[in-house]
Amino acid sequence: DTGVSQDPRHKITKRGQNVTFRCDPISEHNRLYWYRQTLGQGPEFLTYFQNEAQLEKSRLLSDRFSAERPKGSFSTLEIQRTEQGDSAMYLCASSWGPGSEAFFGQGTRLTVV
Amino acid sequence: QKEVEQNSGPLSVPEGAIASLNCTYSDRGSQSFFWYRQYSGKSPELIMFIYSNGDKEDGRFTAQLNKASQYVSLLIRDSQPSDSATYLCAVNMGGDYKLSFGAGTTVTVRA
Repeated sequence: DTGVSQDPRHKITKRGQNVTFRCDPISEHNRLYWYRQTLGQGPEFLTYFQNEAQLEKSRLLSDRFSAERPKGSFSTLEIQRTEQGDSAMYLCASSWGPGSEAFFGQGTRLTVV
Repeated sequence: QKEVEQNSGPLSVPEGAIASLNCTYSDRGSQSFFWYRQYSGKSPELIMFIYSNGDKEDGRFTAQLNKASQYVSLLIRDSQPSDSATYLCAVNMGGDYKLSFGAGTTVTVRA
């Protein structure tokens, strides 16, 4: 499978717990993006990497959120001290260069109870 | 004003008809424009992209871009029940590839 892969697909956690999601981009893509989508809304940009460098973070990304892409390949998104408002679909996308089309993974659906 | 706005739905069309979806964007410097299709509970799937003014056709889909009016549209000809989904307009707001999405328009094709 040469598409973007995300793990896990679903996560249910209790409020206050930490969660970590993983994204494996398409192999030749050097850009990796994280988005969050809530019901009835389009995806909202969270952050993006070019290779291992995190080049931009949205104001939506509070201090409880951190993302890494240590070797320029896979990426992780961690949410600390989860809140019910964090419940959403977390989408990862990758592209090969500026202005090129991005391809999305299947997403991780987070439910905070 | 939102960065990317789409015509409110839902849009219901009979099978075989043309579905017309509209999108406006606020940043005149936007360079790249994309249409994604999203089935319920699934992730967005790219169906069209357009960079230049005018029309771009791909099968039953036609994207139209008018940068002067800051307007991009998607036409779906010969609509099929399998086209029933939410269509997301996405715009590259700057020189880099950070996409801003509209809220989506839900299309239902009636058999």
